[in-house]
Amino acid sequence: DAKTTQPPSMDCAEGRAANLPCNHSTISGNEYVYWYRQIHSQGPQYIIHGLKNNETNEMASLIITEDRKSSTLILPHATLRDTAVYYCIVRALNTGTASKLTFGTGTRLQVTL
Amino acid sequence: EAGVAQSPRYKIIEKRQSVAFWCNPISGHATLYWYQQILGQGPKLLIQFQNNGVVDDSQLPKDRFSAERLKGVDSTLKIQPAKLEDSAVYLCASSLSRGETQYFGPGTRLLVL
Repeated sequence: DAKTTQPPSMDCAEGRAANLPCNHSTISGNEYVYWYRQIHSQGPQYIIHGLKNNETNEMASLIITEDRKSSTLILPHATLRDTAVYYCIVRALNTGTASKLTFGTGTRLQVTL
Repeated sequence: EAGVAQSPRYKIIEKRQSVAFWCNPISGHATLYWYQQILGQGPKLLIQFQNNGVVDDSQLPKDRFSAERLKGVDSTLKIQPAKLEDSAVYLCASSLSRGETQYFGPGTRLLVL
């Protein structure tokens, strides 16, 4: 079972920031927060991951609360091409079976004109 | 850098027939994964290889599904015989090693009639 909770859908106007929340209240100290997205008819695309510090790359920013029980993925200037299902996943650091990706149903982000 | 390659992209078969999917991971990636994604759901891990050895096949329906990665590079996933409920997208992913970030291919969309 997925260990995260996400809203099923969100809308965002093109050019505005998209803020996608994720709740992971049972996260363990050795678990990372990963974000993937899946555009229609494509495979999941890696976006970003973090442990406890905020992270930023060319695609997005990841803000993790101090208690690590929730996080927010931020797409600073959403475009129509960002319309996709966004998955928040917690994943262990170790290399055992606990390190596998367990996907939930994600958040369907619709970017509109 | 070339991504994960999969073929075919689409396949339509009748129930009780057999089908095989092929995956070529990113060069140098030791770990390879096969996921099944049923419509409206997130991907579910079927099997994980480390080089040419299986490290997790706990979710693989072994009575009809089989997978191999004989030389530690390419992999094939086979279904024999197929059932209607096997209609799904089959995704291949790879990572440098266990616990590292996974990168996905475009998937093979299977329809069983």
